[in-house]
Amino acid sequence: SSELTQDPAVSVALGQTVRITCQGDSLRKYYATWFQQKPGQAPVLVIYAKNNRPSGIPDRFSGSNSGNTFSLTITGAQAEDEADYYCYSRASSGNRWVFGGGTKLTVL
Amino acid sequence: QVQLVQSGAEVKKPGASVKLSCKASGYTFTDNYMHWVRQAPGQGLEWMGVINPTGTSANYAQKFQGRITMTRDTSTSTLYMEMSSLRSEDTAVYYCTRDKSIGNYAWWFDPWGQGTLVTVSS
Repeated sequence: SSELTQDPAVSVALGQTVRITCQGDSLRKYYATWFQQKPGQAPVLVIYAKNNRPSGIPDRFSGSNSGNTFSLTITGAQAEDEADYYCYSRASSGNRWVFGGGTKLTVL
Repeated sequence: QVQLVQSGAEVKKPGASVKLSCKASGYTFTDNYMHWVRQAPGQGLEWMGVINPTGTSANYAQKFQGRITMTRDTSTSTLYMEMSSLRSEDTAVYYCTRDKSIGNYAWWFDPWGQGTLVTVSS
């Protein structure tokens, strides 16, 4: 099992708000980062350092955290947001990094 | 712009070795740690290891210890990852990615290479 836990699948109606969560002990110490991956494509960074967006990422994407859980929120989900979303962080011990299992987002 | 361009697809037999490359451009190659991440078909992302900016030190995920070696050539801004004793379970897309960080609490990978498909089959 992964050291970072994500729901395997989430769905959202077009234009509505959805939250994807990532839970793990290491997140009490380190920030989670969020990636989006569409079929056949490389991952793309969407949120880093808790709530920072790289250039080109729409402002409907935001991040937050509480305790050992980080969240990715999409406010006003669009059809093009349908993808797999992964969190990752440095592991709580050792010089290594860990990924969550990924969440498949379906936009209805 | 910052770019990572990986070598082409490979087909290998079980027990063989493979060496993948990742050429960086658009930034100072020796400014950043670099990571390798892989993704088996239909599966999630798996962190493999990290190499420091000068190439003098690398850390590998425990499951790959003894089987992978990460190196980098600073003269050509190229990162390498060699994996030996390949088995069918190593069939995956392998990505290189640049490490960025703030302090000792936030890391992120950006950008990613386009990925290299390694197929291990007899």
